[in-house]
Amino acid sequence: GENVEQHPSTLSVQEGDSAVIKCTYSDSASNYFPWYKQELGKGPQLIIDIRSNVGEKKDQRIAVTLNKTAKHFSLHITETQPEDSAVYFCAASGGSYIPTFGRGTSLIVHP
Amino acid sequence: EAGVAQSPRYKIIEKRQSVAFWCNPISGHATLYWYQQILGQGPKLLIQFQNNGVVDDSQLPKDRFSAERLKGVDSTLKIQPAKLEDSAVYLCASSPRQGNNSPLHFGNGTRLTVT
Repeated sequence: GENVEQHPSTLSVQEGDSAVIKCTYSDSASNYFPWYKQELGKGPQLIIDIRSNVGEKKDQRIAVTLNKTAKHFSLHITETQPEDSAVYFCAASGGSYIPTFGRGTSLIVHP
Repeated sequence: EAGVAQSPRYKIIEKRQSVAFWCNPISGHATLYWYQQILGQGPKLLIQFQNNGVVDDSQLPKDRFSAERLKGVDSTLKIQPAKLEDSAVYLCASSPRQGNNSPLHFGNGTRLTVT
């Protein structure tokens, strides 16, 4: 089955800095890569996703890049704000259509 | 649209007791998932339903866990008997349909503590 590795497990930045979270996956058949943000006491919420026919996607301060050859994808957050503090999960899915999640990155943005 | 509803929000039980969680997905969503999220880890799939049929339950510990989705809408997840290692947040998610990698819509989960 699919295996998703996510790094770092914790990321601490100053407000206004950029944050980058990286994930690798094992199944070459995976073709859908969503990112979720989970705030304390809530379920994960989709923030951006990318499909394998696209190399990069941007939505305001958030961008995701995908390298299918290397089987890795990354989340980039620019101009971080304290409200960006949360746990971020990457996921990958393909033929089975069942997303496999990474272990999560706890992002802390210091004001 | 109303989100995925889960209840209860919290549950504390002793080991060997039983517990049940309820989920009401977003109206019209055919696919429903139950995930287990242990503290500090990502969600792990327990079972996936498409309408009222099971698509994947390969990671469900069937000796103690059971789930059903009668009439293809609400779903219930049960644990009997519970073990200490079942302490986790149980997340329900739904998506419009299987087969096109749609984003999942999660509820806020039920936090289970087994003592």
